[in-house]
Amino acid sequence: GAGVSQSPSNKVTEKGKDVELRCDPISGHTALYWYRQSLGQGLEFLIYFQGNSAPDKSGLPSDRFSAERTGGSVSTLTIQRTQQEDSAVYLCASSFLWTSGRLGGEQFFGPGTRLTVL
Amino acid sequence: AQSVAQPEDQVNVAEGNPLTVKCTYSVSGNPYLFWYVQYPNRGLQFLLKYITGDNLVKGSYGFEAEFNKSQTSFHLKKPSALVSDSALYFCAVRDRALGAGNNRKLIWGLGTSLAVNP
Repeated sequence: GAGVSQSPSNKVTEKGKDVELRCDPISGHTALYWYRQSLGQGLEFLIYFQGNSAPDKSGLPSDRFSAERTGGSVSTLTIQRTQQEDSAVYLCASSFLWTSGRLGGEQFFGPGTRLTVL
Repeated sequence: AQSVAQPEDQVNVAEGNPLTVKCTYSVSGNPYLFWYVQYPNRGLQFLLKYITGDNLVKGSYGFEAEFNKSQTSFHLKKPSALVSDSALYFCAVRDRALGAGNNRKLIWGLGTSLAVNP
């Protein structure tokens, strides 16, 4: 498809388990973002990948969270030793590199992965 | 510091009436401004953006927004609301002064829930 895809759509896990969330960005988009959206909250930035540059990890809430992006395309967000407060919808977005002109900049979002930690 | 405020958690409007979803921002320089919509159980979708030029920006689904520099606002509007417009709306801002290639610095509002009543 032409859009951003994420899998799984839903994930229920037990506290202490590790989970992996996957994101397939739009082909040709060099930038990829992960966000977290808790119930009734706005978007919380987690991590940003841009081409071959080092990722911006400044939004990761703890060292239990990590992400990688292989071959400049697919990305995996890993949460180790999950806690109940990790329960949220995890959103992935991709975009072209920002330019100063009229084009580019807007992010295209996947449908999200709803993570529930019991 | 950069910030975005959506002063209303919820907006209720009758179908056929005009709607406004408010957004104000604070950046050190000139802003790039965005509106996104999140329909129930779906990912965020880009609606419109202001980069430069005309202060009135037209976007998807009949929505428009007006950039008002003196009031530092970018309110989202639609002349005639539809029940299908019921969703969560997010405003986001980026400071022009940050330069190109710095995608992650998109600051998001907390969202406004729009309910259009038949």
